[in-house]
Amino acid sequence: EVQLVESGGGLVRPGGSLRLSCAASGFTFDIYSMNWVRQAPGKGLEWVSSISSRSSYTYYADSVKGRFTISRDNAKNSQYLQMNSLRVEDTAVYYCARDSAYGEYDYWGQGTLVTVSS
Amino acid sequence: SYVLTQPHSVSVAPGKTARITCEENNIGSKSVHWYQQKPGRAPVLVIYNDSDRPSGIPERFSGSNSGNTATLTISTVEAGDEADYYCQVWDSNSDHRGVFGGGTKLTVL
Repeated sequence: EVQLVESGGGLVRPGGSLRLSCAASGFTFDIYSMNWVRQAPGKGLEWVSSISSRSSYTYYADSVKGRFTISRDNAKNSQYLQMNSLRVEDTAVYYCARDSAYGEYDYWGQGTLVTVSS
Repeated sequence: SYVLTQPHSVSVAPGKTARITCEENNIGSKSVHWYQQKPGRAPVLVIYNDSDRPSGIPERFSGSNSGNTATLTISTVEAGDEADYYCQVWDSNSDHRGVFGGGTKLTVL
């Protein structure tokens, strides 16, 4: 059974940093691209970042470029999102999602809540 | 990059057919995917590659994509289908790999 489990969310002050983790199991992690998708309270889904299977390529939404860094450790079946210079508008549930054949996200984690507030 | 436009809300009576659209110029040239999200839950993929259904998704869910409009169709709507629905494309030609529509709230009357 495919499982994605996020962790690392919490309350942080504006300007602070946080590192999210996503632990994967139930599939061959190192052949899939992975993604982070977020959802602000009461709002829609927003793609945040993607990383290719061997970390050769990374992509970011304009809203986080230069502040967030996506990475992965295939030996640990995990991906990460380092979030720096956090802003109030980064407050959201952050989901880890697996990329599939046509660019769809076929499996999602349960999400981890990040709250940026003073 | 793409901007996917969905209606804010769609209402339908039980047993009827719901259609949710996703519009963008020439979206027919892209693979469109659809997600269902219920309150407090993670999104669930219900249609991928325009019209394919993942295992476990009822046949009542179908999709089409042509020209400037992609459509998610839910036949014989049930109360349990009430949820937010999002379309998504993978924009391979830009650095913005994932693009979501704004979402549509489906209300079952």
